[in-house]
Amino acid sequence: AQTVTQSQPEMSVQEAETVTLSCTYDTSENNYYLFWYKQPPSRQMILVIRQEAYKQQNATENRFSVNFQKAAKSFSLKISDSQLGDTAMYFCAFMNLSFNTNAGKSTFGDGTTLTVKP
Amino acid sequence: DSGVTQTPKHLITATGQRVTLRCSPRSGDLSVYWYQQSLDQGLQFLIQYYNGEERAKGNILERFSAQQFPDLHSELNLSSLELGDSALYFCASSPRLAGENTGELFFGEGSRLTVL
Repeated sequence: AQTVTQSQPEMSVQEAETVTLSCTYDTSENNYYLFWYKQPPSRQMILVIRQEAYKQQNATENRFSVNFQKAAKSFSLKISDSQLGDTAMYFCAFMNLSFNTNAGKSTFGDGTTLTVKP
Repeated sequence: DSGVTQTPKHLITATGQRVTLRCSPRSGDLSVYWYQQSLDQGLQFLIQYYNGEERAKGNILERFSAQQFPDLHSELNLSSLELGDSALYFCASSPRLAGENTGELFFGEGSRLTVL
């Protein structure tokens, strides 16, 4: 079974500063993707960034970057130059893409509520 | 716009009633997922369908059922509703199970169910 753990229920950061959200996961699969989704107060789920497990290079998307440590099964999200619009709940998620009976299974963490303060 | 359509957006009903939530996935997506999100909580995986067949089951109550039709749209049926069933129900779709797949889930805007 795969699990995703976000150990920080709530975090806050001052505008323009940097914050890191933690995520650890557990799986026996070899081919998978990891994601960070953002859920602002509108409740829409928005993809922030994705990481293929077979790629060693950490993914980046503008102000968002990840620190992917495959051996440690760690996948943290760093938000640089935080903006008020980054205030949201952030979910770490896992998707199994191995060719087996678990193909397509997706697991989400419990979320971290991030507040960006002016 | 993710391309995933969920109806209705809002629904208010009474305990003991039955409701049906509908999801139309993105064009060409074969896999549909249903999630439940209670107030200020995480996403609870309910069930996944792939090309009309049930693929995986999560913490779905026996009072809940779902299906995916030949045109790939899906319906989530909730019966004998209780106050605790009040939640936001998300549908998401993805192209395939594995292989050439970015793995990204495309979410609808959710159906907010209120049980009074």
